[in-house]
Amino acid sequence: AQKVTQAQTEISVVEKEDVTLDCVYETRDTTYYLFWYKQPPSGELVFLIRRNSFDEQNEISGRYSWNFQKSTSSFNFTITASQVVDSAVYFCALSGGGAGKSTFGDGTTLTVKP
Amino acid sequence: EPEVTQTPSHQVTQMGQEVILRCVPISNHLYFYWYRQILGQKVEFLVSFYNNEISEKSEIFDDQFSVERPDGSNFTLKIRSTKLEDSAMYFCASRGKNWDNSPLHFGNGTRLTVT
Repeated sequence: AQKVTQAQTEISVVEKEDVTLDCVYETRDTTYYLFWYKQPPSGELVFLIRRNSFDEQNEISGRYSWNFQKSTSSFNFTITASQVVDSAVYFCALSGGGAGKSTFGDGTTLTVKP
Repeated sequence: EPEVTQTPSHQVTQMGQEVILRCVPISNHLYFYWYRQILGQKVEFLVSFYNNEISEKSEIFDDQFSVERPDGSNFTLKIRSTKLEDSAMYFCASRGKNWDNSPLHFGNGTRLTVT
């Protein structure tokens, strides 16, 4: 069975602070994919990043960066110099191969105050 | 960029009524999904559909639910007799053959309110 744990339910920061959202996963699959999605107040799910289980290379995209560590089954997401527009619920998700349903974590609500 | 479209954006129905939620996945995608999100909660998998049949379904997807791809473009979710607890946001999603080349694309969702 697959499981995704986002231990942080809510995080509140002041604009320009850096913030890291934690994600820990469990799976028995040897091939799997990890994702981060952003859900702004408008409700849609916005894809941010995908990582496969063979690619532990960390990635930076603008103010966003991701740290994938198989040894600790973690896929953490950092926003540098946060902005008010970053306020949203962030979901980490895990998918196995094949038809690959995605299992979502409970989400972390990030509030960035001006 | 192509996108998944869902209609309607909001549906209100009375308990016991049938509803059909409609989705048009991205045209060259092969895998189709429905997910549900009760207000303020996590996104939950309902069903996956590939090669014109259900690949996997969750325990939420009971006999009251069905999916169909009637014409090669639309992908529908039917709830036969709605219950109050079916009130949620329903997301349709699709993807191509390979995860490495194709992330899961979500529609903007249909908010279903059962009264």
